[in-house]
Amino acid sequence: GDSVTQTEGQVTVSESKSLIINCTYSATSIAYPNLFWYVRYPGEGLQLLLKVITAGQKGSSRGFEATYNKETTSFHLQKASVQESDSAVYYCALSDSNSAGNKLTFGIGTRVLVRP
Amino acid sequence: GGIITQTPKFLIGQEGQKLTLKCQQNFNHDTMYWYRQDSGKGLRLIYYSITENDLQKGDLSEGYDASREKKSSFSLTVTSAQKNEMAVFLCASSIAGLGQNTLYFGAGTRLSVL
Repeated sequence: GDSVTQTEGQVTVSESKSLIINCTYSATSIAYPNLFWYVRYPGEGLQLLLKVITAGQKGSSRGFEATYNKETTSFHLQKASVQESDSAVYYCALSDSNSAGNKLTFGIGTRVLVRP
Repeated sequence: GGIITQTPKFLIGQEGQKLTLKCQQNFNHDTMYWYRQDSGKGLRLIYYSITENDLQKGDLSEGYDASREKKSSFSLTVTSAQKNEMAVFLCASSIAGLGQNTLYFGAGTRLSVL
């Protein structure tokens, strides 16, 4: 089946430092996966951070970037300089561009703690 | 903007009990979803409904029933709660389409079974 693997557990990083959360996917039944990063900030609901639906393209939002790499089946999330407000749980996800409905397959989630 | 309202926020049940979770959205979205999140695991799809009167099973549908009463509401029933079960159930909605549309999530219902 299809799956998403991302950096597990918690990542602790100091403010103004760089952050990368690794995400790789396996889409054995999907010819053209769409890739997403969702985020849950403390006290808030899960929300979309960014998405990329075309291989080779880069998505960006709130200073975060992720590039859809079909060759390495990866969609790593990066930010050059994090802030305390980036502390959250980040989920990588994929969907099938040929399937009705927008069903997402999620990774396990990565908790990011930014220290002042 | 719109909002997704899940009720109740917290649900405590007994082993073997039938429990119902409710979800309402005012986005006027066609498609609605129920996901389950267990500690240390990603979200897993239980049921979804592409349009009103449609019902589709996800990867985790066994032990659950769902009902799309109208376009704005989607209920999930745990048919027989399992002892010591603890999970968060998330409802979401989106416009109809082929995989690229954003899902909007509710705050969740936290289930504990005694």
